[in-house]
Amino acid sequence: DTGVSQDPRHKITKRGQNVTFRCDPISEHNRLYWYRQTLGQGPEFLTYFQNEAQLEKSRLLSDRFSAERPKGSFSTLEIQRTEQGDSAMYLCASSSGTSEYEQYFGPGTRLTVT
Amino acid sequence: AQSVTQPDIHITVSEGASLELRCNYSYGATPYLFWYVQSPGQGLQLLLKYFSGDTLVQGIKGFEAEFKRSQSSFNLRKPSVHWSDAAEYFCAVFGQNFVFGPGTRLSVLP
Repeated sequence: DTGVSQDPRHKITKRGQNVTFRCDPISEHNRLYWYRQTLGQGPEFLTYFQNEAQLEKSRLLSDRFSAERPKGSFSTLEIQRTEQGDSAMYLCASSSGTSEYEQYFGPGTRLTVT
Repeated sequence: AQSVTQPDIHITVSEGASLELRCNYSYGATPYLFWYVQSPGQGLQLLLKYFSGDTLVQGIKGFEAEFKRSQSSFNLRKPSVHWSDAAEYFCAVFGQNFVFGPGTRLSVLP
């Protein structure tokens, strides 16, 4: 059990550029979550996968955001045409089918849009 | 709709003192309740959870929390704080999905 990993840990990009983040969940965890956390706030739910199926998306997830989990293992979160308001920490978490409410979080990807 | 409030943005306690972090939730039914801790540069770590049954739940690192339905509260406690407990603490509720509170930052004085 190596924990949830996220790559990159930090990303600085210019407004208007596209960025993609990767999350590798704990192996055999079939549920994967993406959250966004801004300074001084708790994580906000963005989207959730069970295996490769994206089962829920928050209204926070605008059309510029897309997430995939093509083989039910790792997941990617892409932000197109980044805006300064996208600057935040993007967190990934995973959980197993037997303990679905016990989420294990990765260290996050900090995005700065200049 | 679900919501979580943590009334204290920042709390400072002396090492060895007791601690109570407040959490209030809003949800139509009995929710699942959680406390997480986040240290700088670290991911969130689950401290404890409440699903049903005994309203006093024990967690890791000597923490406990008490669910009070009448007050819609799930306060986190620790009898004696250690310097390593300095971190950000988040209360969360699962009803339809996970909703986190804004967090309480804990500072510990030597």
